[in-house]
Amino acid sequence: TQLLEQSPQFLSIQEGENLTVYCNSSSVFSSLQWYRQEPGEGPVLLVTVVTGGEVKKLKRLTFQFGDARKDSSLHITAAQPGDTGLYLCAAGAGSYQLTFGKGTKLSVIP
Amino acid sequence: GAVVSQHPSWVICKSGTSVKIECRSLDFQATTMFWYRQFPKQSLMLMATSNEGSKATYEQGVEKDKFLINHASLTLSTLTVTSAHPEDSSFYICSARFSSGAVYEQYFGPGTRLTVT
Repeated sequence: TQLLEQSPQFLSIQEGENLTVYCNSSSVFSSLQWYRQEPGEGPVLLVTVVTGGEVKKLKRLTFQFGDARKDSSLHITAAQPGDTGLYLCAAGAGSYQLTFGKGTKLSVIP
Repeated sequence: GAVVSQHPSWVICKSGTSVKIECRSLDFQATTMFWYRQFPKQSLMLMATSNEGSKATYEQGVEKDKFLINHASLTLSTLTVTSAHPEDSSFYICSARFSSGAVYEQYFGPGTRLTVT
């Protein structure tokens, strides 16, 4: 069973601060996705990374896939209250099911 | 991105009754859909994988006779919670697998809140 460890589990920061959350595993993945879930809603796909070392930017969010394709990070610049939510990473080693991390619960305080 | 809908968004039922939840991929065909359950403040727990035209594959510990899954078309999967009990109350979320070349992504529905009284 492939495990994805996300850290930190909880993060509470002030509006305007920067933050980084991590997703780590001992397994190699063919692709990795980041989702954001707000309370009472389904997760929304933010990005998919597939190449080792790949960096993708989505406005104030920067996603990086590790060179060995075992880990990933999500960096948010100048966090805003609208960034509040549960951030989940998910990865696939083959092409079928995704393995999900337990998530990082982010609270951005105005 | 690909869009997945779920219906109903919430449902309240009495203990012993059955409830059906629908999951539809609106702008793409999905041969594979997934059903998850999520408890408060926890991550997603995969219940079963729904394959169009064949039987669903259930995760260990999930009762197949209690959680009936049907995937009769390339855009619709249904989950029926039979003889529901209060402990079945939860947030149920479906997702549909979307392939873009060699990369597989999952797009999620908005979820269904089930409350069994």
